[in-house]
Amino acid sequence: GQQVMQIPQYQHVQEGEDFTTYCNSSTTLSNIQWYKQRPGGHPVFLIQLVKSGEVKKQKRLTFQFGEAKKNSSLHITATQTTDVGTYFCAGSGSNYQLIWGAGTKLIIKP
Amino acid sequence: EAGVVQSPRYKIIEKKQPVAFWCNPISGHNTLYWYRQNLGQGPELLIRYENEEAVDDSQLPKDRFSAERLKGVDSTLKIQPAELGDSAVYLCASSLDRWGNYGYTFGSGTRLTVV
Repeated sequence: GQQVMQIPQYQHVQEGEDFTTYCNSSTTLSNIQWYKQRPGGHPVFLIQLVKSGEVKKQKRLTFQFGEAKKNSSLHITATQTTDVGTYFCAGSGSNYQLIWGAGTKLIIKP
Repeated sequence: EAGVVQSPRYKIIEKKQPVAFWCNPISGHNTLYWYRQNLGQGPELLIRYENEEAVDDSQLPKDRFSAERLKGVDSTLKIQPAELGDSAVYLCASSLDRWGNYGYTFGSGTRLTVV
């Protein structure tokens, strides 16, 4: 069945360093969404990418959707303590169901 | 505007006991989802409703789990009897349309502990 692989599982960075998480799908996606889950919280919708090669920015966050619509990335520039949490990608296939990645946990080293 | 409301926030029960979770989605959101999230993992879909119709319940363990959304608004998820492996966070989400355009809005979840 459809799978969305997300790497890395964890990333430790010093505050001020950059962070990137990657998602790869086994099949072409109609769109991909990104969510952030703070420790002890619930997933919060960040953005949806629909077009091949699409790039969207939200302040220090840059989201990309691959040309083949099978991969995506989230890049955070100059991380801050408020960025701590787990970032999930979720790809939408043909049956409207979101297939979730396992998430990348961003840990800021003191 | 109120978000997705779930109750209870926490629940501790003994194995073999029943438990129920309640969810009230955002007003106007016709699609409602129940997810289960284990520690350190992504959400796993249990059931998806479009209005009052369960359109995807393929991942719902039907021997012990049941759900309903009688009037196409709020929803209840039940487990009977609960097993130790059911300990998880149960998340309810809603979306404006079946494609999830504009994203899913999640409730705060119910953390279930089965002892």
